[in-house]
Amino acid sequence: DTEVTQTPKHLVMGMTNKKSLKCEQHMGHRAMYWYKQKAKKPPELMFVYSYEKLSINESVPSRFSPECPNSSLLNLHLHALQPEDSALYLCASSQGGQSWGPQHFGDGTRLSIL
Amino acid sequence: QKEVEQNSGPLSVPEGAIASLNCTYSDRGSQSFFWYRQYSGKSPELIMFIYSNGDKEDGRFTAQLNKASQYVSLLIRDSQPSDSATYLCAVNGGNQGGKLIFGQGTELSVKP
Repeated sequence: DTEVTQTPKHLVMGMTNKKSLKCEQHMGHRAMYWYKQKAKKPPELMFVYSYEKLSINESVPSRFSPECPNSSLLNLHLHALQPEDSALYLCASSQGGQSWGPQHFGDGTRLSIL
Repeated sequence: QKEVEQNSGPLSVPEGAIASLNCTYSDRGSQSFFWYRQYSGKSPELIMFIYSNGDKEDGRFTAQLNKASQYVSLLIRDSQPSDSATYLCAVNGGNQGGKLIFGQGTELSVKP
């Protein structure tokens, strides 16, 4: 069992829908990440939160909106997505601070856009 | 030029053999190096990390780092069919915050 929990595991949505992906960790980590992964490709960084503040936004379209309500939770709000946004969305966490530490991934949410 | 490069796969080894996975990186300021295993349809799983030059061993896995040559490798001894997966090399540069730079991955197949 992973220590980073993502919900839902699967999500199918239309292009006009609004949905949210959720991520939770109880390892006391202070850095949390969102990645997008397409088949046969490595994970692609979207956002980094450090101590609940957004520290990296990799020029992600505004239809993806991250939120970090507290040090254990990370959300990704989705709105007006495109078919090309269908992918595996991964959350990760790490110790944070100066050394950042190894990143531990959740099981991911497999997203399909109709 | 890619920032992190891995030897192209798929890599096929017989059961019981040593599998050698290689990775080079371009940023000399890189400080942290990671190996992830990813089974098809699953998320990446951290299996090794190394920060200092030399070898680091954990069970059947050995990570090797040579910062002068900008080279990191993963050796899997006594390879098992269950080791068949894609192995991702990832590097964290010293001035890039928490950003990991991933290689394209090497697909390993261990034949019984």
